[in-house]
Amino acid sequence: LAKTTQPISMDSYEGQEVNITCSHNNIATNDYITWYQQFPSQGPRFIIQGYKTKVTNEVASLFIPADRKSSTLSLPRVSLSDTAVYYCLVGNSGYSTLTFGKGTMLLVSP
Amino acid sequence: NAGVTQTPKFQVLKTGQSMTLQCAQDMNHNSMYWYRQDPGMGLRLIYYSASEGTTDKGEVPNGYNVSRLNKREFSLRLESAAPSQTSVYFCASRDGLAAKAFYEQYFGPGTRLTVT
Repeated sequence: LAKTTQPISMDSYEGQEVNITCSHNNIATNDYITWYQQFPSQGPRFIIQGYKTKVTNEVASLFIPADRKSSTLSLPRVSLSDTAVYYCLVGNSGYSTLTFGKGTMLLVSP
Repeated sequence: NAGVTQTPKFQVLKTGQSMTLQCAQDMNHNSMYWYRQDPGMGLRLIYYSASEGTTDKGEVPNGYNVSRLNKREFSLRLESAAPSQTSVYFCASRDGLAAKAFYEQYFGPGTRLTVT
């Protein structure tokens, strides 16, 4: 499984755009990049998944450069309710399990 | 659809007691998982079941057993609880047929277990 590195914590203010970058230097050719969000006292929730370039959904955007050695989760105009831990995972269907690191704790302030 | 449900929500055990955590999903998913999460840590996989009738150890299986009762239900048993098993336990499921959705797991609300 590809090892991922992401910041332990980030701070932001309401209305700002937040970008969380994840490094995954040994990503394999058939690996996907997936992000999860976890609120306090809840289970993680799938946010977005991508393979290359850019993926956008109603919650976030995921930017993946051509070399795929990193990825950036972009949260537009965050609100207080976006305060959560965000996990970056890398892998493919060949792996039966997920490996969650410690994630990035995003704190959004008024 | 309820998604993934877990019972109980909270439990306090004394050292040496046993208990079973229940998990059920109504999404017709093939694969089911049990994780534990300790303060300041990410989730660690205890056991998983890739499909009905199969179970495999994850990263931290010691002290636990599992049963995939049917496609819907996957239980986690602590035979002799220890304080080191104080944690929040999450059950998850996924549809194993779609490669692109491989990492889209659906999690339950968790069980907070305290062992004294």
